[in-house]
Amino acid sequence: NAGVTQTPKFQVLKTGQSMTLQCAQDMNHNSMYWYRQDPGMGLRLIYYSASEGTTDKGEVPNGYNVSRLNKREFSLRLESAAPSQTSVYFCASSLDRGEQYFGPGTRLTVT
Amino acid sequence: KQEVTQIPAALSVPEGENLVLNCSFTDSAIYNLQWFRQDPGKGLTSLLLIQSSQREQTSGRLNASLDKSSGRSTLYIAASQPGDSATYLCAVSATGGFKTIFGAGTRLFVKA
Repeated sequence: NAGVTQTPKFQVLKTGQSMTLQCAQDMNHNSMYWYRQDPGMGLRLIYYSASEGTTDKGEVPNGYNVSRLNKREFSLRLESAAPSQTSVYFCASSLDRGEQYFGPGTRLTVT
Repeated sequence: KQEVTQIPAALSVPEGENLVLNCSFTDSAIYNLQWFRQDPGKGLTSLLLIQSSQREQTSGRLNASLDKSSGRSTLYIAASQPGDSATYLCAVSATGGFKTIFGAGTRLFVKA
């Protein structure tokens, strides 16, 4: 039982490049989330998916897109990366509105 | 707009001391409140979840309380140990239950 897994662990992009961050959970959770964590800013919600087939904006959605591929997988896409998107990205899941479980994070640097 | 504040930002205590971490929020219309622990360079580990209808939750040496009317939660750690050293984060979910706002955290250092 791996819990929440994220790939890649580290990534360096040049400004304007695109990439997709992958997240998967094996806990049969309905809800999944993407957060970013920046020094001094805490964690901020980017997007969430309350259930398979639905996605909604969080606090800081600009510059990102998401796809809930199936119940297990929720991906985050940066279409044209900017230095302001340098951050640590965390995926989380929960059984509906309950306790959230987090993945280990992806450290992204945009130069 | 919901704002979550954690005080103090950092705390250093000797081993064995009991301690209290504070979390305050501006909008009392919450669905639940969750306390997490984060070790350097790692993800978040859930410690306790309190539903809006509950007053407190306990797990081992940890006790979390919730007072919605005053917009406050406290995390009590009994008999602190060096292994408790980490950053503790408070997170509040809005009435719908999904939009979650985090505090900036309290960095705890327990000296042996």
